[in-house]
Amino acid sequence: DGGITQSPKYLFRKEGQNVTLSCEQNLNHDAMYWYRQDPGQGLRLIYYSQIVNDFQKGDIAEGYSVSREKKESFPLTVTSAQKNPTAFYLCASSIDSRRPTQYFGPGTRLTVL
Amino acid sequence: AQTVTQSQPEMSVQEAETVTLSCTYDTSENNYYLFWYKQPPSRQMILVIRQEAYKQQNATENRFSVNFQKAAKSFSLKISDSQLGDTAMYFCAFMKGMNYGGSQGNLIFGKGTKLSVKP
Repeated sequence: DGGITQSPKYLFRKEGQNVTLSCEQNLNHDAMYWYRQDPGQGLRLIYYSQIVNDFQKGDIAEGYSVSREKKESFPLTVTSAQKNPTAFYLCASSIDSRRPTQYFGPGTRLTVL
Repeated sequence: AQTVTQSQPEMSVQEAETVTLSCTYDTSENNYYLFWYKQPPSRQMILVIRQEAYKQQNATENRFSVNFQKAAKSFSLKISDSQLGDTAMYFCAFMKGMNYGGSQGNLIFGKGTKLSVKP
């Protein structure tokens, strides 16, 4: 089945630790995105990548980092510099930047203890 | 900066009836895309419907249709014959288009409307 997978579904982290969230897609999509969702809020863009080895900051990139070494993978690292990391994180992809429809993975719930 | 406003935090509808969810947006752009996404309790975001701003015809997808009023910057979602499985959060989202026909890629979301379908 083609789709987007995110792992793990739930993640717990101690304050001060970095943690990496996985996002993989087998849709052959060029573009990938990371969003954050807080309670009672819509999604906000953290980072996006339109092609391998290239990525841009979104609206709330501070405290996060990404890499795009392979077309299928776009991992997100939440660093200790992120002041309020507890949130629901969603990864998405689109065919390319010319086709705007984004398809989402199931999400990862990150809790900082 | 673009903003998206959903003025109804919660709504409910009886099974088999019709409900309309409201969305307004603010932009100075002429080329853009509008979306409705559904987020059920599983929390996965599912695309419901998409509208290109240059198209005058309202988009439809089975029981889902939109009323796109470009001048009023309004983009409401109508759900006909509501089903229990329609119970979810519904998010309206905006994406700026590019002159060459592509898109900027940044989806801007409203805060959502929680829809409950009652048997």
